[in-house]
Amino acid sequence: GENVEQHPSTLSVQEGDSAVIKCTYSDSASNYFPWYKQELGKGPQLIIDIRSNVGEKKDQRIAVTLNKTAKHFSLHITETQPEDSAVYFCAAREDSNYQLIWGAGTKLIIKP
Amino acid sequence: DTAVSQTPKYLVTQMGNDKSIKCEQNLGHDTMYWYKQDSKKFLKIMFSYNNKELIINETVPNRFSPKSPDKAHLNLHINSLELGDSAVYFCASSQDGGGGNQPQHFGDGTRLSIL
Repeated sequence: GENVEQHPSTLSVQEGDSAVIKCTYSDSASNYFPWYKQELGKGPQLIIDIRSNVGEKKDQRIAVTLNKTAKHFSLHITETQPEDSAVYFCAAREDSNYQLIWGAGTKLIIKP
Repeated sequence: DTAVSQTPKYLVTQMGNDKSIKCEQNLGHDTMYWYKQDSKKFLKIMFSYNNKELIINETVPNRFSPKSPDKAHLNLHINSLELGDSAVYFCASSQDGGGGNQPQHFGDGTRLSIL
């Protein structure tokens, strides 16, 4: 089955700097890779996703890149702001049974 | 209007009790999920229903029983609660026919504490 690893577990960056979170997956048949943001006391919320026929996708300050050969994908946040502080999860859709397999999460801390 | 709503938000109860958590979505989605999030924030899928039919049933003790009276509701009943059941339980929904490739919309969670 699919396995998703996410790094780092905690990331602290200065406000205004960029943050990068990386995930690797094991099943080369996986074809959908979403990123979710979870704020304190809330449920995860989708912020961006990418499908396997695309290498990069951007939405304002956030972008996701996908390297199918290496089986890894990354979340990039530029010009970080205090409201970016949250836990971020990556996930990969397992092709055999259609469920999302989640990474362990990254706690992003934006220092003022 | 809240898209995915769960009740109660907090649930504190004694070991051995039976409790239920309710979930409703008003998005018209056809697939609903229950997740368990432990103290380390790890998200674990428990169940998934598509149009009231069970499609994902992970290795979960049979003390946990989901019930979907219609495609807008997915409730979770837990029998004989144990200390290890303490966690935050999230309900989610998506419009993907159970295919897992569309965004999932989460509720704000139910924090279950077992005394």
